[in-house]
Amino acid sequence: EDQVTQSPEALRLQEGESSSLNCSYTVSGLRGLFWYRQDPGKGPEFLFTLYSAGEEKEKERLKATLTKKESFLHITAPKPEDSATYLCAVQLNTGFQKLVFGTGTRLLVSP
Amino acid sequence: GAVVSQHPSRVICKSGTSVKIECRSLDFQATTMFWYRQFPKQSLMLMATSNEGSKATYEQGVEKDKFLINHASLTLSTLTVTSAHPEDSSFYICSAEDRVKSGANVLTFGAGSRLTVL
Repeated sequence: EDQVTQSPEALRLQEGESSSLNCSYTVSGLRGLFWYRQDPGKGPEFLFTLYSAGEEKEKERLKATLTKKESFLHITAPKPEDSATYLCAVQLNTGFQKLVFGTGTRLLVSP
Repeated sequence: GAVVSQHPSRVICKSGTSVKIECRSLDFQATTMFWYRQFPKQSLMLMATSNEGSKATYEQGVEKDKFLINHASLTLSTLTVTSAHPEDSSFYICSAEDRVKSGANVLTFGAGSRLTVL
């Protein structure tokens, strides 16, 4: 069964305190791995897509990396506005745009 | 970038009534749209894939007679929750892919619709 697991479930950081979120996956065939940000009561907002092990992508204070079994979302010197739930999703090799989501990591950055 | 609009954002209805949620792709055409359901502090669960001009494909365990999906045009898909019950209360989110604006293989999500059934 295809599974996506995110850890930790919740993370509280002080402003400027860097950390990483983990997304581990067990899937039959990976086409791509996505990171989304979701604010309360809103739909997910696209951050990154990673396709192959060793790939890295950056956007402002965020950097996503991918290995054959997991992905990390590194947050460098976070700010309170980075507080949100970060969702990881995998797209399977079914030739379809179907995403399997993890349960997310709720990040709270305190000033 | 591509924008997907959902309406209504919030709806409260009585048990036994039906509720329709619209998902529109603004300034792009979406042959395929996806409907997700999200419970509090849980992740998004794919309910069905909506195909323009044909029947939706439902995920295992999702009642097709309960959750009616219609994809009448390249910019509009609707989800109707029929004979709603309190356990149908949830956050419903749609998504679509715009290969031109967002780039291929990127799904854009709507802002979601919060359904509360009394």
